[in-house]
Amino acid sequence: AQTVTQSQPEMSVQEAETVTLSCTYDTSESNYYLFWYKQPPSRQMILVIRQEAYKQQNATENRFSVNFQKAAKSFSLKISDSQLGDTAMYFCAFMGEGGGADGLTFGKGTHLIIQP
Amino acid sequence: KAGVTQTPRYLIKTRGQQVTLSCSPISGHRSVSWYQQTPGQGLQFLFEYFSETQRNKGNFPGRFSGRQFSNSRSEMNVSTLELGDSALYLCASSPWTASNEQFFGPGTRLTVL
Repeated sequence: AQTVTQSQPEMSVQEAETVTLSCTYDTSESNYYLFWYKQPPSRQMILVIRQEAYKQQNATENRFSVNFQKAAKSFSLKISDSQLGDTAMYFCAFMGEGGGADGLTFGKGTHLIIQP
Repeated sequence: KAGVTQTPRYLIKTRGQQVTLSCSPISGHRSVSWYQQTPGQGLQFLFEYFSETQRNKGNFPGRFSGRQFSNSRSEMNVSTLELGDSALYLCASSPWTASNEQFFGPGTRLTVL
């Protein structure tokens, strides 16, 4: 079984700063997917970014980028030019080769607070 | 394209009762997954349905069950409710079972008194 660990329960930064959220995972699979989801106070889970393990290039989506270190089983999320609307819970998640049939394995989450 | 819808959004039940939650996936999506979110256990996979068949189930007791209809809409049922079943229940929609894309609904907040 795979595990996902987020070691930062809460982080707080000033608006416009850059922040990095950490995530490590453990798996014996060679092909898998990693995700960062955002859950604002509305509780709606929103996909922020996705990384396929077989791709060496780090995924980027506008102000969001990841640092994927497959050998180290590390998958951190960098948010540049942080905005007040980025305040939310952020969950790192793993999906194995079976895709949706196996479900997502989530970390415990990091509560990110962007201060004005 | 409309997103994933879940009904009801809020529900209050008492111990021992049973409850049914509904999820309508994005049009054209055939896979529906269910997750439970609690402060203590976090987000946990309940089960996944594709083509009206349960493909996989997480580590939950038999009180938790579900089904999927021919139009891909899914329901989950919890019987003999316990206080610990109080949670946010999230449904996720995917185009097919092996897809790595999951689009979440707004959730149903269940409170068991």
